[in-house]
Amino acid sequence: SQQGEEDPQALSIQEGENATMNCSYKTSINNLQWYRQNSGRGLVHLILIRSNEREKHSGRLRVTLDTSKKSSSLLITASRAADTASYFCATANYGQNFVFGPGTRLSVLP
Amino acid sequence: DAGVIQSPRHEVTEMGQEVTLRCKPISGHNSLFWYRQTMMRGLELLIYFNNNVPIDDSGMPEDRFSAKMPNASFSTLKIQPSEPRDSAVYFCASTPQQGAAQPQHFGDGTRLSIL
Repeated sequence: SQQGEEDPQALSIQEGENATMNCSYKTSINNLQWYRQNSGRGLVHLILIRSNEREKHSGRLRVTLDTSKKSSSLLITASRAADTASYFCATANYGQNFVFGPGTRLSVLP
Repeated sequence: DAGVIQSPRHEVTEMGQEVTLRCKPISGHNSLFWYRQTMMRGLELLIYFNNNVPIDDSGMPEDRFSAKMPNASFSTLKIQPSEPRDSAVYFCASTPQQGAAQPQHFGDGTRLSIL
């Protein structure tokens, strides 16, 4: 399976701290995407990184991709209470659709 | 801009009943996806359409599940007869074009409880 696996399953930090979540996958990918899901809501796309890219930034988000290790990380800097959510990585193989990992539950405490 | 709209938001029904979930994708989007989310299995792709045509339904769990997309602005996911193990949150998502390089736009889901 190409399913991504997020690590850790749950993370609790204080407001203002940085949060790092990791995603590992098993097969070659075309791209990897990160999504956020607030409680009771649908998933919201955060960032897409292609297989030939190593790092991307979007506001307080930084995503890295290491295809040799088949892993990606999502860093949220200067976290806020509003960042409390579940975060999912989704891997996409060439010509196929996404497979979502089980997610990381992030709690940012005020 | 209107996002993906799903209805109903919540559905509670007794086992054996027919359940119909509805989805309106973002206007102009050509691909539509149905997912199921549970604590045990996470987010699973059930079926996806491109230009109203079902492309991959390998994730549909059983013949009790069926999905249609009669036009570009409407899709249904039907369960008949429903069973308690079908209880989950069902999401619809759409993308502008077919292909895995497209960010998916999700609705807020239908929380289904089968008693």
